[in-house]
Amino acid sequence: DAGVIQSPRHEVTEMGQEVTLRCKPISGHDYLFWYRQTMMRGLELLIYFNNNVPIDDSGMPEDRFSAKMPNASFSTLKIQPSEPRDSAVYFCASSSLGREAFFGQGTRLTVV
Amino acid sequence: DAKTTQPPSMDCAEGRAANLPCNHSTISGNEYVYWYRQIHSQGPQYIIHGLKNNETNEMASLIITEDRKSSTLILPHATLRDTAVYYCIVPNNAGNMLTFGGGTRLMVKP
Repeated sequence: DAGVIQSPRHEVTEMGQEVTLRCKPISGHDYLFWYRQTMMRGLELLIYFNNNVPIDDSGMPEDRFSAKMPNASFSTLKIQPSEPRDSAVYFCASSSLGREAFFGQGTRLTVV
Repeated sequence: DAKTTQPPSMDCAEGRAANLPCNHSTISGNEYVYWYRQIHSQGPQYIIHGLKNNETNEMASLIITEDRKSSTLILPHATLRDTAVYYCIVPNNAGNMLTFGGGTRLMVKP
């Protein structure tokens, strides 16, 4: 398996634009996590899914953020409209129950 | 979630053992201790986990105290490539939600 795959690796967008980050988890994993990392706040859990169902989205900062998992092999994190303070590295991770999580290489988002 | 406490930074000489401590005094009986590390600009990487007994794998050893209120991650022969932020985590009761604290920034020096 190629591991957790995120795209794009880098994204630069203008304030107010819609941004969509994508994640392909490891095949067979039933948990998927979205994290955001900044210097100020460290690694923050935004939302996680179990069997494609959102379980806890309490970390999603505001209504501008939304996440979906239409099937077991794909998830998106969307920001609409984007703001400069959304600039961060966004990580996706997947795991099986009781096992270690595997992280993707992240998407570095810059909103100008 | 059981809260963990780690020193913010540590130094280690190349080739020596790196011993990274973690306090998790509120851990409950069925909660595991996980260790991850994050090398600059990369996603966090799983290292090792344990419940009660000491564990060892190709990357590291994990020593958990008998009362389970603290643990130590040991890198037996640290290399420059081990320079990273090391996170000690106790997942939630469901066993899957990972909450990261500040971690320990380990600097391995030549």
